[in-house]
Amino acid sequence: GQNIDQPTEMTATEGAIVQINCTYQTSGFNGLFWYQQHAGEAPTFLSYNVLDGLEEKGRFSSFLSRSKGYSYLLLKELQMKDSASYLCAGKDSNYQLIWGAGTKLIIKP
Amino acid sequence: IAGITQAPTSQILAAGRRMTLRCTQDMRHNAMYWYRQDLGLGLRLIHYSNTAGTTGKGEVPDGYSVSRANTDDFPLTLASAVPSQTSVYFCASSDSTGVGANVLTFGAGSRLTVL
Repeated sequence: GQNIDQPTEMTATEGAIVQINCTYQTSGFNGLFWYQQHAGEAPTFLSYNVLDGLEEKGRFSSFLSRSKGYSYLLLKELQMKDSASYLCAGKDSNYQLIWGAGTKLIIKP
Repeated sequence: IAGITQAPTSQILAAGRRMTLRCTQDMRHNAMYWYRQDLGLGLRLIHYSNTAGTTGKGEVPDGYSVSRANTDDFPLTLASAVPSQTSVYFCASSDSTGVGANVLTFGAGSRLTVL
């Protein structure tokens, strides 16, 4: 079966760095996505990885290892506004997205 | 402002009633999707449309129907609502080609409660 696993909740301190992990099992692979979702709002696109390695975008970076079925989202210099759920999703061989349940990130001052 | 408009924002519905959730986009995206989001679960695809005039079933299509008469509109209908359809429903769209095919734009969501 297809599956995306990520931690349910994480807590971090303002100004610090946090890494949110995601492991995936999909039928075929056509990319790994991260979305951010603030409470009561729509998900918004953060990053897309299809090749191994690290993609950096300002304070946010995303890493992919296809051989390990593993990705992480790295958030640096955490700000209170980063408190949100972070959704990991894999695109399978039919180009359909398989979504994880999301990681709720709590930022403490 | 370019994007996706969903209506209603929130609705309480009696079981057995028919309900249509509306979705309109102004980005001229070819592909559109309906997802439901439930606590503790990932987004689940209900139905999708790769282009106007075509639709397909997602992971959880039972009890729902869609139509795609034109590029902009993609309504979702619950023919006879049941309590298990209580959820937050998100409409999304994407370009069907190029890099844009990998980015979903979501509407603000419709919170539906079936009693």
